[in-house]
Order: sequence, then C-alpha cells, then structure tokens
Amino acid sequence: DAGVIQSPRHEVTEMGQEVTLRCKPISGHNSLFWYRQTMMRGLELLIYFNNNVPIDDSGMPEDRFSAKMPNASFSTLKIQPSEPRDSAVYFCASTMTQTKNIQYFGAGTRLSVL
Amino acid sequence: AQSVAQPEDQVNVAEGNPLTVKCTYSVSGNPYLFWYVQYPNRGLQFLLKYITGDNLVKGSYGFEAEFNKSQTSFHLKKPSALVSDSALYFCAVRSLAGANNLFFGTGTRLTVIP
Repeated sequence: DAGVIQSPRHEVTEMGQEVTLRCKPISGHNSLFWYRQTMMRGLELLIYFNNNVPIDDSGMPEDRFSAKMPNASFSTLKIQPSEPRDSAVYFCASTMTQTKNIQYFGAGTRLSVL
Repeated sequence: AQSVAQPEDQVNVAEGNPLTVKCTYSVSGNPYLFWYVQYPNRGLQFLLKYITGDNLVKGSYGFEAEFNKSQTSFHLKKPSALVSDSALYFCAVRSLAGANNLFFGTGTRLTVIP
C-alpha cells in the first residue's frame, strides 16, 4: 500500500485566498484525522471522521476551517479565507479498528500564508 | 480525561549511550499507550504500543518501552543510541475505550551527539 497520501506537499498563498488540502487514507481504514503542527502549539487534532462521518470537530479553530469526507477514500480540509496565522504543517492520518488505534500519517502539507 | 505528559522538551545523549525519553499518563480504565517518532519534514511514524500483556514492549529500530502501572509511566528506551535516532518523539494515549482518536504529548526532541 502507498500509505496515506496528502497533496499538495507545499502550498504558498496570499492572505484571503481559499486553500484546499487533500488526503487519501489507506485503503480499508475507517477513521481519518486532520492535525495541525506548529512550533508554538505543537500537534493539534482538528477533526476526525469515523466511516466518513465527522465525530469530533472541537479542534477546528474557527468557521474559516471546514473538512469533508465525501467517501472512504478522500477527504479535504478547506480554509477560507486564509490568514498568516494559519501557516503550519497539516497532517492527515488514518486507522482502522483492527489495528488497535495505530494511526498512519501522511507526509504533510506545509502551508505558508503570506 | 485521558492525557499524557512529556516532562522534557529536549534530551541530549552521546552516541552509544543508553537513552530514555519520559512519558507519564493519566487515564480512566485500561490504557492504550503509543510512541511515535517524527523525522525532519516527515509525518509521524508508529514505533510501538502497549495494550495488555508484558510490561516491556519492543518496537521498531531497537526501541522498547516499559509500562509501569504504579508510576503511571511509559518511558521509551534504547540501550545504545545512534546519531540517526535524533528526532522528535511523541507519546500518545487512546482517548476513550472504543474510540479511535489519540491524545498526543507535546513531544521531546532527542539529539544524539556523535
């Protein structure tokens, strides 16, 4: 398996623009997680899905952030409008119940908002 | 509430010496505990986990961790450190019984000095 695939790997945009990050989980995994990592705040869970349904979005910073999982093989994290403080590395991870909660992470998307 | 604490932001060790990265936990019920490693510009990688059974858990790259219920600790260890072990290490605990999400610690940066 190719693992969790995230795109793009790097994104540079200007303040106010819409940003869409993409994630393809490992085939057969039924849970998907979006994290944000910064030097100041460390690793933060933004939202996670079970069987394509959002379970906990309490980590989503504000209404500018939204996430969708239209099917088992694809998820998006959208920021609209983007702000410089959104600059971070965004990770997607997936797992399945049978793996006893072992999460497999993608390589991340490094977002820079100018 | 489930949580983990990593009391050291930074650990330095000489190459060839044993290393320990500390983690303490607070859980209700039986803990599911994990260690992950993050190399520069990469996503987190699973190292090892404790669910039940032997208190000494062996994982990838020669790492092991000791589950200590009385001290509520799950320290990561390696008998002989390599320069290539230099990375960011995260301890994590499953949030609730039956849940798929994890709570991660703040991370400990390990530097192995040649």
